[in-house]
Amino acid sequence: DTAVSQTPKYLVTQMGNDKSIKCEQNLGHDTMYWYKQDSKKFLKIMFSYNNKELIINETVPNRFSPKSPDKAHLNLHINSLELGDSAVYFCASSQKTSSGGIGEQFFGPGTRLTVL
Amino acid sequence: AQSVTQLGSHVSVSEGALVLLRCNYSSSVPPYLFWYVQYPNQGLQLLLKYTSAATLVKGINGFEAEFKKSETSFHLTKPSAHMSDAAEYFCAVGKGSNYKLTFGKGTLLTVNP
Repeated sequence: DTAVSQTPKYLVTQMGNDKSIKCEQNLGHDTMYWYKQDSKKFLKIMFSYNNKELIINETVPNRFSPKSPDKAHLNLHINSLELGDSAVYFCASSQKTSSGGIGEQFFGPGTRLTVL
Repeated sequence: AQSVTQLGSHVSVSEGALVLLRCNYSSSVPPYLFWYVQYPNQGLQLLLKYTSAATLVKGINGFEAEFKKSETSFHLTKPSAHMSDAAEYFCAVGKGSNYKLTFGKGTLLTVNP
């Protein structure tokens, strides 16, 4: 009964390959996010979708492309993988509070990507 | 722009001792402030959040944090550390009109027996 789930949990691949990570939330939230956590644990927002509309698009290489087929899903496709893409990628979701404020973000378990 | 500074990338305490993890923020508007915990090989879990209702916020697992506007701080405390508290802790700031949270660099808490 996981709230935010990601697949796969581990992903090992060669440089130059294309890969996708999938995320699903069953919380009924209208906003989803992708974060990258590097080896020093620094957490950086990459993208956010609200009701399938891209609302946050940080400085991320064009090789990264998010796709939100519906409110409950947010996928991340990465083209031409590079060594520096190795990291843990977290999906999260949230819902604004009834007063319009920022709601808590619920995080998935992460996908550890290793590029060889 | 908003930002968060967590003082001390690593804090070590003895079991039963006070835990104090520091967080200072910068925000041009009244902030929303959060503390998250990350156990090894897991995602982040919310400990507590400040949304202007009360300056002293109680969270899960005995943690609490006090919002001090004059000091632009939101330090996390727990009176007595337990071995299970060993984890990475992140402070985050956001503003009401925006969905974006800005995270601090994290503080690793180790608890010695």
